[in-house]
This record gives sequence, C-alpha cells and structure tokens, in this order.
Amino acid sequence: GAVVSQHPSWVICKSGTSVKIECRSLDFQATTMFWYRQFPKQSLMLMATSNEGSKATYEQGVEKDKFLINHASLTLSTLTVTSAHPEDSSFYICSGTNRAGELFFGEGSRLTVL
Amino acid sequence: SQELEQSPQSLIVQEGKNLTINCTSSKTLYGLYWYKQKYGEGLIFLMMLQKGGEEKSHEKITAKLDEKKQQSSLHITASQPSHAGIYLCGADMGGSQGNLIFGKGTKLSVKP
Repeated sequence: GAVVSQHPSWVICKSGTSVKIECRSLDFQATTMFWYRQFPKQSLMLMATSNEGSKATYEQGVEKDKFLINHASLTLSTLTVTSAHPEDSSFYICSGTNRAGELFFGEGSRLTVL
Repeated sequence: SQELEQSPQSLIVQEGKNLTINCTSSKTLYGLYWYKQKYGEGLIFLMMLQKGGEEKSHEKITAKLDEKKQQSSLHITASQPSHAGIYLCGADMGGSQGNLIFGKGTKLSVKP
C-alpha cells in the first residue's frame, strides 16, 4: 500500500514552545491530508482537513491559531502546535488519500510537553 | 449516541483459531475502512469496502460489507501471534473525505 511518513515520531518540548510535525506522502500525491489526535486508549479524533494550496478546515472545538496547518505541496502537510502546554501532549496522526480513495495513515508523532 | 459500534471490545483467542470482529452503523455508509494499530503507532491500512455485498481478502484476513452497507465484519482465519493488535473500523458517512467516524477498536490477543 501507499506510504505516509511522519516526522518526528517522538518529541519532547518545554511549555510555551512551538513544535512542528511533518506529514509526507512518499509514493502518491495527496491533494488532501488530514490531521488527527489520539488520546491514550481512545479512538482517533479528526482535528482538521488540509488542502493543498488553501487554508485548512478545522473541526469544531479545535483552535486554528493553536494548531497551525500548512499544506505546501501535494506531498507535504505540516502541523505546528504553537505555545504548547502539557494538555497538548498527545499522539498526532496524519493521513492522505490516494486516487482510489484509500486513506493511508502516518506512523504518528508522540508529543510530550513538560 | 455512538454512530459506529464495534464489537467485541477485546478478544483473546488461541493461536490457530478463527475470529470475527464486527462493525455496525445506524446509517448507510459510503465506505468502510479496516485498520490495524499497535498502541502508540500509526494505523496500517487493511481494506476498504465501498459496495454493498463486497468482500475482500488479504492473506488470512477477510472483510465483508453487507448489502445494506450498514454492517461490516472482519474475519481472521487460523490466527497467529502476529495478528495481535487493535483493529479499528472507520466509516465514511458521506461527510468530507477523510472524515471517518471510527469505532472504539477491538483489542486482539493471540495466545501461542
């Protein structure tokens, strides 16, 4: 299947700093990518839909100024957690859709804010 | 109420046994995805079903979508320890692409 890669897979930062997570589709072009958040032992929660060349669409309750999303190309979307706080600690996963409509997920990025 | 019900929540089987995981929606689905996840890792795409009555197989895993497109089952034949993990179904309810509604997952343990 298609490959979606996330980087970094694991990051620790101090409270108040910003963290950027990259999501790349390695062998297909994804006009749309999606960002999810997963709390321990819970299912995925969609945060936002990232469209190449346009502004992201955020789900209700997700702060767009806190979770900045940029979809610079057909193979790269980035999520920046600004002024991170301990409650932002979570597992963040991205996904992208190939032409067949199949949705492939990245490996996830674990963020720990001290 | 939960739009997508997945059952069972957890399952422990002996190696070599067959098992089935179910995913039921109260609404007609546009598509149904099955993923496998190990805790703290990404999701591994297993199969996507879109047509009523569709059935797909990959190695020892078979997934079906009923004719009404409201229920799907994932069947593993002759389970192995490598099948252990969390299985998630994700449903396309017709909203924006990628906005899947996920079940709560089924934790599968396979005893050698």
